[in-house]
Amino acid sequence: QSVLTQPPSVSGAPGQRVTISCTGSSSHIGANFDVHWYQLLPGAAPKVLIYANSNRPSGVPDRFSGSKSGTSASLAISGLQAEDEADYYCQSYDSSLSDWVFGGGTKLTVL
Amino acid sequence: QVQLVQSGAEVKTPGASLKVSCRASAYTFTNYYIHWVRQAPGQGLEWMGIINPRGGATSYTHRLHGRVAMTRDTSTNTVYLLLSSLRSEDTAVFYCATSYDSSGYTHFDHWGQGTPVTVSS
Repeated sequence: QSVLTQPPSVSGAPGQRVTISCTGSSSHIGANFDVHWYQLLPGAAPKVLIYANSNRPSGVPDRFSGSKSGTSASLAISGLQAEDEADYYCQSYDSSLSDWVFGGGTKLTVL
Repeated sequence: QVQLVQSGAEVKTPGASLKVSCRASAYTFTNYYIHWVRQAPGQGLEWMGIINPRGGATSYTHRLHGRVAMTRDTSTNTVYLLLSSLRSEDTAVFYCATSYDSSGYTHFDHWGQGTPVTVSS
C-alpha cells in the first residue's frame, strides 16, 4: 500500500496529452514538501523527469510538465510519443513517518 | 557524469543476509547523500534508507524493523546495503541513488543500474 495514490494506468494516442495524478495528505504533499516525478523504462534505472513540483532537469523535453496544488500533484505529458511508454512514479516526503515516499506507479500505454 | 555502479544479481535463501555494493565515481563522494530504494516484482518503489558518506550517519525506514544497515568506505567510494533475515517478500531490484541533501525537499537525481535479488528456498 503506497503512501501516495496514483492511477494504475493511463493511455493515449500519439500526439495526445495525458495527465497522471498523485494524491497525498497533510503529512506530505499538503505539508508543503516538494513532489518529484520519475520515469521507469523497462530494464532501466529510474530517471528523474520533474523535480521540485515543476522543474525539468536538463535534457528532459518540455513535453513533460509538473504541477502541485494542495495535497495533490500532476504530471502532464503532451505530444505523446511511443518512447514515452513507461511506468511513472511520484515521490515526496512524509513528515509523520520521516520517510521519503513514492506513489504506486502509473503505467502509460501509447495506443 | 555521476556514475553509480552496483554489484551483480544475488540469489539467497530465507533467513540469509544480503550485502549489495554501490560504487560512486566522477564526483566527490562526500558531496552527495546516498539512498537505497527497492522495487519488488509488480510493485512500486520503496525507500529503504539514507547514508551520509561524509560521516556515515544513517536513517532507515521503520518498515524494515531493524533488518537494514548501510555503511560506506571512503577509500573506495563505495556504499553498502546490508539486509538481514531475508524473506521471500524481500525479492526485489535494489537501487542506490544520490541526493544533494537530506531534507524532505530533496529528490534522487542519479541512480545505479539496479541489483536483482531473489530470495527463495
